[in-house]
This record gives sequence, structure tokens and C-alpha cells, in this order.
Amino acid sequence: GDSVTQMEGPVTLSEEAFLTINCTYTATGYPSLFWYVQYPGEGLQLLLKATKADDKGSNKGFEATYRKETTSFHLEKGSVQVSDSAVYFCALSVYTGNQFYFGTGTSLTVIP
Amino acid sequence: EAGVAQSPRYKIIEKRQSVAFWCNPISGHATLYWYQQILGQGPKLLIQFQNNGVVDDSQLPKDRFSAERLKGVDSTLKIQPAKLEDSAVYLCASSLNPSSNEQFFGPGTRLTVL
Repeated sequence: GDSVTQMEGPVTLSEEAFLTINCTYTATGYPSLFWYVQYPGEGLQLLLKATKADDKGSNKGFEATYRKETTSFHLEKGSVQVSDSAVYFCALSVYTGNQFYFGTGTSLTVIP
Repeated sequence: EAGVAQSPRYKIIEKRQSVAFWCNPISGHATLYWYQQILGQGPKLLIQFQNNGVVDDSQLPKDRFSAERLKGVDSTLKIQPAKLEDSAVYLCASSLNPSSNEQFFGPGTRLTVL
């Protein structure tokens, strides 16, 4: 079935460090891929998305490239800030019914 | 544009009691979803509505959970009776239609069952 496997956390980085959070997926069709972010006490917010192979999603300095050959959608940021501390969820959506499958989330803490 | 609204934000009940959560989606969004997010896990879909009809409720524990969206706008999720393992955050999300492939989430209701 369709699923997402996400790098386990928690991850702790110093400010301005490079961030990578790994995400791989299994899908029977051609999914769209997403990264959602959840700040403490808030709901999930869409961070970025990619709808087809080789697409790159980007937002707020974060990037992720849809790699069909490795079934991956790794999240990267060149220089993290304290305000990036949150839980990050990788997700996929299959066209039929638009059901979302989420990874387990990766908690990121950025220290000054 | 107003986001997805949910209430209450927090609820504490004892096991075997009943509880209800309310969600008002973004105006014009035909599709509404309820998710359960257990601590340390990703959200899991409970039920999906298209207008006032159920599209998918395959993962809804129907012996104790029920949901309705009678007028195709706001929705209520009920648990009766609650169990300890129902402690979780219940997230509501909406999308314009099933093929829009972007969902907008509310802040969630954190339920604690004692």
C-alpha cells in the first residue's frame, strides 16, 4: 500500500547549520508529495509540495526535490534559524480520493 | 481568508464518557477530513466527506466514533464511550475538492481521556 517513511528524530542543530530530513515513499500510482510543519500548539501548515517527478518545492528557504528513481523527497535548508524549531511531516497524496498518508514526524530543535 | 476553525481546543474527560468536536472548514471547501494524531505519530485519516456525503470511513472505529456533516458545511465528530487509547489530537482539514491535492488544517482539539 501507499506509505511514507520518515527519518526519526529528534534532531537538534545549532543556528545556521545545514538541515536534512529524509523521507522515502511507497506508492502504487503517481503521488503528489508534501512537507507539512507543525509549530507548538498549532495545526499543520503546508511548507512545500511537488506534484511530479523532478519537481522542486521550495518555501522559506526550505527545498525538497521529488526523486522518482530513489522514491525520495528529502527536506533541506542551508541555514536553520531558531524559529524553524517545529515538527516536520512528510506526506503523500494519491489522486484517487485525495487521501493523505503522513510520516511519523521529525522534531527539530534549533539552539542559538 | 479565514482558516479552518475547531472547538474546543482542549478537552479532558473520563473513560466511558462521551465527547464531541466541532469543525468549520474554509468557506467553499467541499471536502472535509477528520484525522487522529496520537502523540509521536503522524495524523491518521478517520473519515472524509465530500459535501454532506461520506467518501471514506474505512479507518473510523464505528462502534464508538461517529461523524456527520449534515448541511455540507460544518462537521461534528463524536466519541461514545471514550477509551484511554482515544487520547490524541483530533485534526480537521478541508480542501476545495478531492482533486485539489492540498489540505488546510485547523489547530486541532487535544483530547485527554483519564
